[in-house]
Amino acid sequence: NAGVTQTPKFRVLKTGQSMTLLCAQDMNHEYMYWYRQDPGMGLRLIHYSVGEGTTAKGEVPDGYNVSRLKKQNFLLGLESAAPSQTSVYFCASGRSEQYFGPGTRLTVT
Amino acid sequence: AQSVTQLDSHVSVSEGTPVLLRCNYSSSYSPSLFWYVQHPNKGLQLLLKYTSAATLVKGINGFEAEFKKSETSFHLTKPSAHMSDAAEYFCVVSGAYNNNDMRFGAGTRLTVKP
Repeated sequence: NAGVTQTPKFRVLKTGQSMTLLCAQDMNHEYMYWYRQDPGMGLRLIHYSVGEGTTAKGEVPDGYNVSRLKKQNFLLGLESAAPSQTSVYFCASGRSEQYFGPGTRLTVT
Repeated sequence: AQSVTQLDSHVSVSEGTPVLLRCNYSSSYSPSLFWYVQHPNKGLQLLLKYTSAATLVKGINGFEAEFKKSETSFHLTKPSAHMSDAAEYFCVVSGAYNNNDMRFGAGTRLTVKP
């Protein structure tokens, strides 16, 4: 089992560019999540999904969109990147216990 | 609404001495509480969780935590620190039946000196 994987591991964007982060899990979990981690703030929930075809907003959803077309994948999109979106992004899956991916470090210049 | 306060941003101990990482929570419901560990440039790994069963919860790598409702605390302890314990630790609270609203503390960085 690979668990939760994230692609890419690192990315540098210019302001206004777009990109998609991919999360994949092989544990057959219904629930999947996207978080961002910023220094001194712990992790904050961006969006989540309780099943294929469903998504919902978390604590800090502005500037992000998500899609869950397949149960095993959860995509996070940035349509027009801003420097404030420089962060480390973590995907997680699971319900009573969440399993985390290794993270994507995104820098927006 | 729920929230978590980790009382120390940084804790430094010597190898072989006890570890205490403090966490207070606020929750309108009977909470579920978790401790996660994050090693440098890695994802988060679950150490232990409390879900209204025994108040003393044992986790991996010799860590344990005690749920104290009267003090709204869920402190993490380990009798003897190892060098490999050096990492960032996060206390997390969620609603009893809804893990869609997990709130993370700001984290405590644990340093272990030889």
